Amino acid sequence: AQSVTQLDSQVPVFEEAPVELRCNYSSSVSVYLFWYVQYPNQGLQLLLKYLSGSTLVKGINGFEAEFNKSQTSFHLRKPSVHISDTAEYFCAVTYTGFQKLVFGTGTRLLVSP
Amino acid sequence: NAGVTQTPKFRVLKTGQSMTLLCAQDMNHEYMYWYRQDPGMGLRLIHYSVGEGTTAKGEVPDGYNVSRLKKQNFLLGLESAAPSQTSVYFCASSIDNGNYGYTFGSGTRLTVV
Repeated sequence: AQSVTQLDSQVPVFEEAPVELRCNYSSSVSVYLFWYVQYPNQGLQLLLKYLSGSTLVKGINGFEAEFNKSQTSFHLRKPSVHISDTAEYFCAVTYTGFQKLVFGTGTRLLVSP
Repeated sequence: NAGVTQTPKFRVLKTGQSMTLLCAQDMNHEYMYWYRQDPGMGLRLIHYSVGEGTTAKGEVPDGYNVSRLKKQNFLLGLESAAPSQTSVYFCASSIDNGNYGYTFGSGTRLTVV
């Protein structure tokens, strides 16, 4: 069965510092991977996705993620965060024919001045 | 272009009351989903639909019913609300099974007292 693990429930960071949000998945077949962001009192927005091809995926707002098949990971990174990046971030996985996404429990990114 | 619209945005119910949450999408998407979001638990799938006239159970279907009589609408019903159903409910839609990502509504905050 597919599952997604986001090890960090909360990540505090100072403005302009780099950040990495971790995501690990379990699946015995080829997967499609996603990162979503949820700003306070809003729905989820797609940040980026990995379907195939290059393992380094670039998304909106300066975020990027790297697919690592051997480590079954899809960590999200940003070289310099802003106060406005404060939000909750969700990793999700699916595969062909599965019909739905499986979400992790989320990581709250807290950016302070 | 409205995307995915959820109504109502807020609701307070008494235990035992019933209600229906409406999700409407104007993107001609085949797949639609209902999730609930609770602190520390991420998003959990309640029910989903792969096309007009179809529904299927997700991870936490008990206490909920759904209908997809029209392609653009996906209704979530609570027949007899319980305090455990206090949550934020999100509807999402996708062109296919989610390989290209979901479009989310802005959510319905439901409190059962």
